[in-house]
Amino acid sequence: GAVVSQHPSWVICKSGTSVKIECRSLDFQATTMFWYRQFPKQSLMLMATSNEGSKATYEQGVEKDKFLINHASLTLSTLTVTSAHPEDSSFYICSARPGQSLGYTFGSGTRLTVV
Amino acid sequence: LAKTTQPISMDSYEGQEVNITCSHNNIATNDYITWYQQFPSQGPRFIIQGYKTKVTNEVASLFIPADRKSSTLSLPRVSLSDTAVYYCLVGTSGSARQLTFGSGTQLTVLP
Repeated sequence: GAVVSQHPSWVICKSGTSVKIECRSLDFQATTMFWYRQFPKQSLMLMATSNEGSKATYEQGVEKDKFLINHASLTLSTLTVTSAHPEDSSFYICSARPGQSLGYTFGSGTRLTVV
Repeated sequence: LAKTTQPISMDSYEGQEVNITCSHNNIATNDYITWYQQFPSQGPRFIIQGYKTKVTNEVASLFIPADRKSSTLSLPRVSLSDTAVYYCLVGTSGSARQLTFGSGTQLTVLP
């Protein structure tokens, strides 16, 4: 089946630095990808919609200057957490819908820890 | 956005059938109902999707009554590896509602 690959699976960074997370659709093209954040014991929260070749659409309350999204090709979207702080520590997940698939395919997630 | 309501948690024993019900009173005419499974530290995995009546695949069945205001995910003969969080989502393809996760149901399968 369709696969969405997310990298890295985990990352630890120092406060104030930036971290980039990649999301790739391996065997299908995705003009649209979605980024979620999930805190421990909580549900997934949609952060933004990544659109190939255009600006991302951010959900209310998500800082677009802090969470930079780039979707430069039909198979790759990146999320950059800029000037990360401990409160940005979370599980970040991307997803996309392959063609006429019934549901969405999710990446395996990235555990970000800011120290 | 269409709101879904599920039990926070459920316990079951190995080999039993488990039914998880989701309430979605504000479902729209064009909305589909989709269920996902999530294990700790992993992304959700698609289980099943339906519009009305009954849908069955190799892992689960989905029952949707005529008024479509609720749905029931049925997992036959669960095993320990089915311990996970189960989410139901409603919406049309690509719509924000179809991408909105509720609180989910933590299913714990006991030996």
